[in-house]
Order: sequence, then structure tokens, then C-alpha cells
Amino acid sequence: DAGVTQSPTHLIKTRGQQVTLRCSPKSGHDTVSWYQQALGQGPQFIFQYYEEEERQRGNFPDRFSGHQFPNYSSELNVNALLLGDSALYLCASSLAPQSNQPQHFGDGTRLSIL
Amino acid sequence: LAKTTQPISMDSYEGQEVNITCSHNNIATNDYITWYQQFPSQGPRFIIQGYKTKVTNEVASLFIPADRKSSTLSLPRVSLSDTAVYYCLVGDVGGPGTALIFGKGTTLSVSS
Repeated sequence: DAGVTQSPTHLIKTRGQQVTLRCSPKSGHDTVSWYQQALGQGPQFIFQYYEEEERQRGNFPDRFSGHQFPNYSSELNVNALLLGDSALYLCASSLAPQSNQPQHFGDGTRLSIL
Repeated sequence: LAKTTQPISMDSYEGQEVNITCSHNNIATNDYITWYQQFPSQGPRFIIQGYKTKVTNEVASLFIPADRKSSTLSLPRVSLSDTAVYYCLVGDVGGPGTALIFGKGTTLSVSS
């Protein structure tokens, strides 16, 4: 049973560029959340997708956008990259609406902005 | 979502039992308590979750007093591989619109 998978594992971009990160949820899960984790900090919530719609959003600018596909996989897009966007981007999946089920995380995409 | 407070760091030796306490004074009736473990350059890994009393699985125990304003994660006989950051989270942890709010966590260092 595959867990949450993310691609790519590492990525290097320059300021101003755009990036797309991908996530496949754990088998049987239908809800995907994205988090940004800066070095030495806990993960920060970006947004969550369920039924192909953004259901909740954290305190991130509109440069961060996402999408969920009919097969429940998801993409995170970041435009006009800034140096401060360098971080580990984590995807988590869960099964809704059973709210007592924990979110399962992938190992993330390490994004470095030069 | 209820705010949590946990120690920034803890030190232990191999073979000892480690107890990490988390305070969550404003926990809501529908909130669950969940603990995650994170190693460097990996995603958080679910350890244990509970609502009240005591929960035990193959890796840890979670003790929750009757007032649910705190909880204690207990790791029996830790090893070097238990060195990691441990996060305590409180909230409705699974359904749509349930963002997980992470603090800085507790960095556990296990020495030989």
C-alpha cells in the first residue's frame, strides 16, 4: 500500500521563476493538504483540497496556488519565486469526512531558490 | 484550533523511558490529540492519537487526564534512532478544512 508520494524530491530554481510540485495521496485518501517547512521551524499550512476545491487556506500570498485532480492527486504552483520560498514543501493526505483520521505526510520536495 | 505548549528540547540516554508533556488548555470537545515524529529531511510521521484516557500502540503510549488540558507522550526504552522532533497537535485532524497547526515541537536527543 503506497503512502504519500511527492515529486520531485529536490528542485533548484532562480528568483522570478515558477515551479510546480506534485503529490499523490495515500491509497484510499481523498483530501490533500500542503505545508511549507522552513529550516528549524514546524510545517506551516498552505491550503487544503477536497473534492477538487480549495477548502481552507493559510496565510500565504496568491503566488501560491493549487489544484486537485479527479484521481485525488494534487499540484502546488508557486509563481514569481522569492529567496524566502526556499523550504521543504510537504503534502499530507487524509480521508474525509471521517475527522478522527490522521493526516499522512510524504517526505516532501526540497526547493532551493538561488 | 487549540494552541499547544511543549518543551523545546529534551535529552535522554538509550534504554530510558521518555515522557513529553504537552499543554492544551483550550482544547475543544471535538478535538483529538495527535503526536507526530519528524526526522531531518523527512515528512512528519504519525505516532499516536487519542481523545481521552490512555492509548497504546506498538511504539508509544499517550496519557490524557480527565480534563484533557494536557497530554503526555511516553516512549519506552528509547534508542538512538528515536532522536527526532516530536510535535503535539490538537484539533479536528482529518476532515475538510482541518489545517494542522504545528508549533516548534520538542527536539529529543538520545545519547549512548
